[in-house]
Amino acid sequence: EIVMTQSPATLSVSPGERATLTCRASQTISNSLAWYQQKPGQAPRLLIYAASTRATGVPARFSGSGSGAEFTLTISSLQSEDFAVYYCQQYNNRPPWTFGQGTKVEMK
Amino acid sequence: QVQLLESGPGLVKPSETLLLTCSVSGGSINTGRYYWSWIRQPAGKELEWIGRIFATGSTKYNPSLKSRFIIAVDTSKNQFSLRVTSVTPADTAVYYCAREHYDFSNWFDPWGQGILVTVSS
Repeated sequence: EIVMTQSPATLSVSPGERATLTCRASQTISNSLAWYQQKPGQAPRLLIYAASTRATGVPARFSGSGSGAEFTLTISSLQSEDFAVYYCQQYNNRPPWTFGQGTKVEMK
Repeated sequence: QVQLLESGPGLVKPSETLLLTCSVSGGSINTGRYYWSWIRQPAGKELEWIGRIFATGSTKYNPSLKSRFIIAVDTSKNQFSLRVTSVTPADTAVYYCAREHYDFSNWFDPWGQGILVTVSS
C-alpha cells in the first residue's frame, strides 16, 4: 500500500497570502495524484487531478504541481472560502487508493 | 449533473450488520465509464477507501480491511450498496459514496453528502 504524507498538518495563513501544501508518496506514482478540499460537515470536493489539472469550476488561484513522489498544491491568494482541510489521494496503477492525513488551512 | 445520496441507519449495535445505500441521480450507473466507490472517514481521521463496484457487478476491496465489507449494485434502481457485517465501534465513521473515474484516472467526483454511522450499544 502506498502511504501518502502531507505537510504541514496545519497552515496558518492570512487572507490574500499564498499557501503551499505538500504531499509525498512512499513510492513513485507518476502524476497519479488528486487534491480535494473539505469544509466542516461537507463531503470532499475534487480540486485537482493528474497532479496539475484543475477540475471543472475550480478557481485559477488553485494550482497543482509535481510528479514522481512529491507534489504541491498552491493557493495563490487565499480567500475566506478557502479555509478548509485539503487531502491528497494517489491512484497509481492499482488499488487500494490511499489518502494523506490532510492539511488544515486556518486563518492567521 | 450526477448526484449521489447515501441512506441508512445512523446507529448500529456492535456485532450487527450495517447496510448503506447510495442512490445515483442525474445519470445512469450503467454507463460503463465509471466505478462506484465507498469511502469512510472516522472522526478527525483521514479518508479510507473501502472498495468499488462496476455496473457489471465486478468488485474490488481494500485488502487492509477484513472481508466484512460487501458492495453490491442494483442497476434497475440506479443504486449501489455497502454491507458491513459484525460491526464494532471502530466502524464508527462518516461513510461516503462517490463516483470513481475509470482506469488510470481513478479520482473521485462527485461525492455524496456522507452519512454518519455510530456503532454503539
